Amino acid sequence: DIVMTQSPDSLAVSLGERATISCKSSQSVFYPSNNNNYLAWYQQKPGQAPNLLIYWASTRESGVPDRFSGSGSGTDFTLTISNLQAEDVAVYYCHQYYSVPRTFGQGTKLEIK
Amino acid sequence: QAQLQQWGAGLLKPSETLALTCAVYGGSFSAYYWSWIRQSPGKGLEYIGEIDPSGTTKYNPSLRSRLTISVDASRNQFSLNLISVTAGDTGVYYCARIYRVGANGWLDSWGQGTLVTVSS
Repeated sequence: DIVMTQSPDSLAVSLGERATISCKSSQSVFYPSNNNNYLAWYQQKPGQAPNLLIYWASTRESGVPDRFSGSGSGTDFTLTISNLQAEDVAVYYCHQYYSVPRTFGQGTKLEIK
Repeated sequence: QAQLQQWGAGLLKPSETLALTCAVYGGSFSAYYWSWIRQSPGKGLEYIGEIDPSGTTKYNPSLRSRLTISVDASRNQFSLNLISVTAGDTGVYYCARIYRVGANGWLDSWGQGTLVTVSS
């Protein structure tokens, strides 16, 4: 299984500032034949299902604000939330869909400082 | 965007069978793969398995011996059966749509979740 490890486990950031979440995979999720990283990011608010933010490591899902951005390749990935808003308080998960079983990071809880 | 609505028993005794169904409204059922994910405090988000509209399945090896995922394309539904449940199977179970490119894809629509508690 590919192990996904996020850091930090929790993060407090002031409104309007930038939040950065790291995700590392135990093996590469880059597929050279199509030049894509099989990595997605989700946001989960209390009592709700996860919501897709980013796929292919850096492609924003339709309707997701452009303050959310993803980067990285191979085994190291980052989710950046710029200009933090109160509604961004949530738990964020990375997810690899490169191989079965699909696996998720343990989650990063984002709070307002 | 598809709407996924799921249902099934929420309280089970050890050794019983967990059975959930997910109905898909909107979008083309046959164009996507479909997945089950569960979430528990101890294990976070855990992939259970997935199925394509023809019924081909992929399962998490840790659950394969107890798991059956099936599809009824005529009703735009897919189902999960997990036998011989234990307290370790307690959690919130989600159905989800896989937006796939080739054989793999991300989860772009989710059901509302079903809390399943296994307790004697």
